[in-house]
Amino acid sequence: GAGVSQSPSNKVTEKGKDVELRCDPISGHTALYWYRQSLGQGLEFLIYFQGNSAPDKSGLPSDRFSAERTGGSVSTLTIQRTQQEDSAVYLCATRTGNTGELFFGEGSRLTVL
Amino acid sequence: GEDVEQSLFLSVREGDSSVINCTYTDSSSTYLYWYKQEPGAGLQLLTYIFSNMDMKQDQRLTVLLNKKDKHLSLRIADTQTGDSAIYFCAESMYGGSQGNLIFGKGTKLSVKP
Repeated sequence: GAGVSQSPSNKVTEKGKDVELRCDPISGHTALYWYRQSLGQGLEFLIYFQGNSAPDKSGLPSDRFSAERTGGSVSTLTIQRTQQEDSAVYLCATRTGNTGELFFGEGSRLTVL
Repeated sequence: GEDVEQSLFLSVREGDSSVINCTYTDSSSTYLYWYKQEPGAGLQLLTYIFSNMDMKQDQRLTVLLNKKDKHLSLRIADTQTGDSAIYFCAESMYGGSQGNLIFGKGTKLSVKP
């Protein structure tokens, strides 16, 4: 597609349930990032994929969070046993090799009740 | 560790200049970015500057970099109501598609008519 596409755009779930958030990157962009945006907290780095290299998972807040990227394209962020503090907008971005600009999707808003 | 600091709010009158300030801690940062986020949308790159530059001008936008003080600013001339948004400063050690970007918490710019 022309841009980064994320789904679902909104997700409401009950505490303790698992959720999956999907990111369809811009074709040809080898680097893919997940960020979390909470109210008043700015953007928090979660995980970064670059080509076939091992992902940089240093930003994942707990072992309930995991992500994978299949075939160097689509990525899924999984949150197990969701907690209320997981409520946030989860942003996916891909990166070009020229200026280093990040191209962001519109995000998936997660609400944990 | 790496950290990027910004003031959280700025209010200006339409037609005035806006100056949004940012400080960062990582002296090895090579690329510095300004992103804009409009309500309900993802982030979009406004402009960027390499660390070997002091200033960059792009139409109504002027970026100033004081590498000694690790201070970055974004000046918007003739601010319009359409400029109302959240502005994020970000730093990266690498360009291209390598490495991570560290973001500040964002400055919410309100433009009064």
